[in-house]
Amino acid sequence: DAGITQSPRHKVTETGTPVTLRCHQTENHRYMYWYRQDPGHGLRLIHYSYGVKDTDKGEVSDGYSVSRSKTEDFLLTLESATSSQTSVYFCAISEEKVNSPLHFGNGTRLTVT
Amino acid sequence: AQTVTQSQPEMSVQEAETVTLSCTYDTSENNYYLFWYKQPPSRQMILVIRQEAYKQQNATENRFSVNFQKAAKSFSLKISDSQLGDTAMYFCAFSPSGTYKYIFGTGTRLKVLA
Repeated sequence: DAGITQSPRHKVTETGTPVTLRCHQTENHRYMYWYRQDPGHGLRLIHYSYGVKDTDKGEVSDGYSVSRSKTEDFLLTLESATSSQTSVYFCAISEEKVNSPLHFGNGTRLTVT
Repeated sequence: AQTVTQSQPEMSVQEAETVTLSCTYDTSENNYYLFWYKQPPSRQMILVIRQEAYKQQNATENRFSVNFQKAAKSFSLKISDSQLGDTAMYFCAFSPSGTYKYIFGTGTRLKVLA
């Protein structure tokens, strides 16, 4: 299994509070991704990173920010959580070669009350 | 816009039988990559199979095989000799060649019945 760790595994938070999810990899891969999974929508890309301090937006980036200060860590922040951000969040990594399969972490289930 | 459609939200199959999950996609690209991922109740996303569009031969991994019809833009997954451990959500994904972009379908929930 690819060495990807997401933390926390579960989190319940209140509307309006900031939340940070962490993704840590031990594979030294350049590309990292944050997806959210919702019923009826599959997986949708929030943000991705192609190197330290190099990030870009995905299709559902509103309300989210990311940071990557080290190759191994990719953080996803909800500045002010809303109920619509209740979801399962997955981090993924891919090898340098284009179109390599994504390898996923175990996901974080976030509930915003 | 490139899209991936999985038209079967839920399916069931008897243990030891064969089941086929459908996936269609829309693209103007000539070369691309297609993937099937399995998500069991544990929530872990597991790569099942990968197909490159310019390769005519259908990919196979043990009991899992695909029927890739490029002209029809169809990429179905066949699971033979279904096992209880195959119970999972299955996602089809598309990636244009030369990119780090991956587009997922909405998933098919498969239940294998004893």
